[in-house]
Amino acid sequence: SAVISQKPSRDICQRGTSLTIQCQVDSQVTMMFWYRQQPGQSLTLIATANQGSEATYESGFVIDKFPISRPNLTFSTLTVSNMSPEDSSIYLCSVGIVGGGTDTQYFGPGTRLTVL
Amino acid sequence: AQSVAQPEDQVNVAEGNPLTVKCTYSVSGNPYLFWYVQYPNRGLQFLLKYITGDNLVKGSYGFEAEFNKSQTSFHLKKPSALVSDSALYFCAVRDGSGNTPLVFGKGTRLSVIA
Repeated sequence: SAVISQKPSRDICQRGTSLTIQCQVDSQVTMMFWYRQQPGQSLTLIATANQGSEATYESGFVIDKFPISRPNLTFSTLTVSNMSPEDSSIYLCSVGIVGGGTDTQYFGPGTRLTVL
Repeated sequence: AQSVAQPEDQVNVAEGNPLTVKCTYSVSGNPYLFWYVQYPNRGLQFLLKYITGDNLVKGSYGFEAEFNKSQTSFHLKKPSALVSDSALYFCAVRDGSGNTPLVFGKGTRLSVIA
């Protein structure tokens, strides 16, 4: 398994500002994923982050709005830029653990963002 | 493209009764199927998965799920529900290894009534 921590756990932000969310994993992983869960909704993949290369964004998400860093195999950040109330969501990072008899995706506790 | 359908927004069951939360999927290759649970103000917790092998898989907290290839289903079950099982349940699928992301269903809210 993997232990994933996220900071901050929650935040309330003003419209037009930016917030950077940190994700730390207790083991080295190739891929990290960032998801958004809007209120009352399911999880939607924002992007896939591979260490040492540019993140791959899903349709509807762009790098200018959600820049991602992946400086090493245990850490990633997601920035929500120029926020609006529509960005109010839970943001979750996730990693896939492959090998050693397991092939499972684990999730961090999430960052609950409220934009006023 | 992969997709997951959870046809029920809400499932209500009395404590002690068996529960079923339904999930059907669509994937081009061999399916990797997962169930997660989300408690209020918490992240997603992994319950169980099917990758290969026995069609009946057992997971955490007494949950199990049955993979049915012909019906493309992966329903979550528990023989005897607990009030503490009340939560939001997500079925997810991917077509490939752990380095490919999951596609989630919309979620089913389970309410177990004492």
